[in-house]
Formats: sequence, structure tokens, C-alpha cells
Amino acid sequence: AQKITQTQPGMFVQEKEAVTLDCTYDTSDPSYGLFWYKQPSSGEMIFLIYQGSYDQQNATEGRYSLNFQKARKSANLVISASQLGDSAMYFCAMRAFMNSGYSTLTFGKGTMLLVSP
Amino acid sequence: NAGVTQTPKFQVLKTGQSMTLQCAQDMNHEYMSWYRQDPGMGLRLIHYSVGAGITDQGEVPNGYNVSRSTTEDFPLRLLSAAPSQTSVYFCASSHRQDSSYEQYFGPGTRLTVT
Repeated sequence: AQKITQTQPGMFVQEKEAVTLDCTYDTSDPSYGLFWYKQPSSGEMIFLIYQGSYDQQNATEGRYSLNFQKARKSANLVISASQLGDSAMYFCAMRAFMNSGYSTLTFGKGTMLLVSP
Repeated sequence: NAGVTQTPKFQVLKTGQSMTLQCAQDMNHEYMSWYRQDPGMGLRLIHYSVGAGITDQGEVPNGYNVSRSTTEDFPLRLLSAAPSQTSVYFCASSHRQDSSYEQYFGPGTRLTVT
């Protein structure tokens, strides 16, 4: 069974600084995918970034990058130059295949990020 | 495209009442699923569907029913609401041919059962 662990319940960062949100995972599948989602106070789930297990390079999307260390089973999210609008809950998730072949997501418990001026 | 839409946005039920949470997508996605989100926890899978007429249970299916008569719609039914079903419910869809299997989420329905 897949498992996602986010050990930081809350993180504080000052505006314009970089911050790393930790995520470790456990799976026996050789092929898997890792996602990060942002959930602002308004409640919607916003897709940020994806990393496939066979991808050679770390994924990047604008100010977001995923520090993928396969041997350590970690997939940390790095946000560069934090902005006030980055204050939100962040979820790490792993693609999981059901018996039917359907792909769903297993989520961590989330990290609340607060960006201060 | 509207993407994934959910109605209602908020709902208050009394214990024992039944209701249906609506979910629709206009992206012609084969896969659809329902998650619930409780405080301090990530999203947990309730039910999912791999196509019209095909549904299966997820991690926390008890107390919920689903059906999928069309590709677009995937309603979630609460047969007899209980306070333990107070939660935020998200519907999501994904395209079978998408190699990343990215899931597109609806805006959520906040349900309170008193």
C-alpha cells in the first residue's frame, strides 16, 4: 500500500524567501507519480507540479520545483521567492492504482504555509 | 470548458436525512471519483468510476452510494446522513490517456450533519 508522510504541520516564511515543504513516500510499485496541490482558504484544490518516477530531471513550474530524491523516497516542494498569496495548505499526493487499473491519489495530511510580509 | 462542477456548495442536513451531491465534468474524462476531506487529514477516496456503468469502492465507502449513467455525471448519495459524514466533499476527474493521471478537482461541497 502507498503512504505519504508530511511531517511539517505548519511552516512560516518571510516574503521573498525560499521555503521547502517536505514529503516522503512509501510504495512497492516501480512506476509511480507524485503530485503537489495547493489549497487556499477558499477551499479549492489547485494542481502545482507533477513528477513521474522515471523522469530524469526534477520537475519545475515557475516558482515551484520538486526536489525528487528517489533513493531517499522524498519529493520535497521548493517555493522560491515566496509571496503573500502562497499562504495556503499544501498537499503531497501519490498516484495509486486500484485493482481495476484505475488511478487515484493517496494524500498526505498537509502542511500549512504562512507567508509574512 | 467549465471543468468539474459541484452542487450545492454548502449543505446542512439533519441526522437521518438523505441527499445527493451532484458532480459534472465537461472534459469527456473517463475517470471520476469522490473524496472527502476532514480536518487535519488529506483527502480520502470514497468511490470511483472508470466509465459509464462502472463504479467501485474506495477507502471509505460506507454510508455512500454512487452510480454513473453518463460520462459527464457522477452523483454521490448519502442514504441516511450521520454526524460522522460532516466533511468537505470533492469530486475529481481524469483522462485515461493522460500519462500523469492528473486529477482535476471540483470546488467542493461543505456538508454539515447535525
